[in-house]
Amino acid sequence: AQTVTQSQPEMSVQEAETVTLSCTYDTSENNYYLFWYKQPPSRQMILVIRQEAYKQQNATENRFSVNFQKAAKSFSLKISDSQLGDTAMYFCAFMTLNTGNQFYFGTGTSLTVIP
Amino acid sequence: KAGVTQTPRYLIKTRGQQVTLSCSPISGHRSVSWYQQTPGQGLQFLFEYFSETQRNKGNFPGRFSGRQFSNSRSEMNVSTLELGDSALYLCASSTGDDRASYEQYFGPGTRLTVT
Repeated sequence: AQTVTQSQPEMSVQEAETVTLSCTYDTSENNYYLFWYKQPPSRQMILVIRQEAYKQQNATENRFSVNFQKAAKSFSLKISDSQLGDTAMYFCAFMTLNTGNQFYFGTGTSLTVIP
Repeated sequence: KAGVTQTPRYLIKTRGQQVTLSCSPISGHRSVSWYQQTPGQGLQFLFEYFSETQRNKGNFPGRFSGRQFSNSRSEMNVSTLELGDSALYLCASSTGDDRASYEQYFGPGTRLTVT
């Protein structure tokens, strides 16, 4: 079974500070992709960053970076220089090549950036 | 390029009724996936349609069904509504060129309330 676990239901961070959101997953597959999606209060899900499991180098996207630990099945998201617009629900997700376009999502972490 | 659109955005139905939700993917995208989002269960995969055929299916009862038209627009139908069907229903589109198209774009969702 494919599962994704986000153990932090809520988090807060001061503006301009750094915050790390945790995610662990479980799969027996070897080829898969990992994602972090952001869902602001307007509800539109937006892709923040993705990581191919076969790549050892951690993905980065401007202020967003991941710490991918394949052996530990861990995929955390670091947000640097937090901004008020980062306030949102963050979902960790993964997809395996064998299950096509089916994404498995975690339950989300609600992040609040405090001015 | 226009994004993924979903109609209606809000819907209130009574137990026992049926409902149809619509999703128009990004132009050129041929794959449409549907997800149910609830506070308790998070995001759960319903099904995926590609070229008018259901290509992948999650673990939902037969009351949940879908279809895709030749222009790639997709509809999702829920029959005999139950209170537990109250949720945000999201659709996501992708090119579908590969079995696993990791570039998925989400719509704003349809908020269904069953009373």
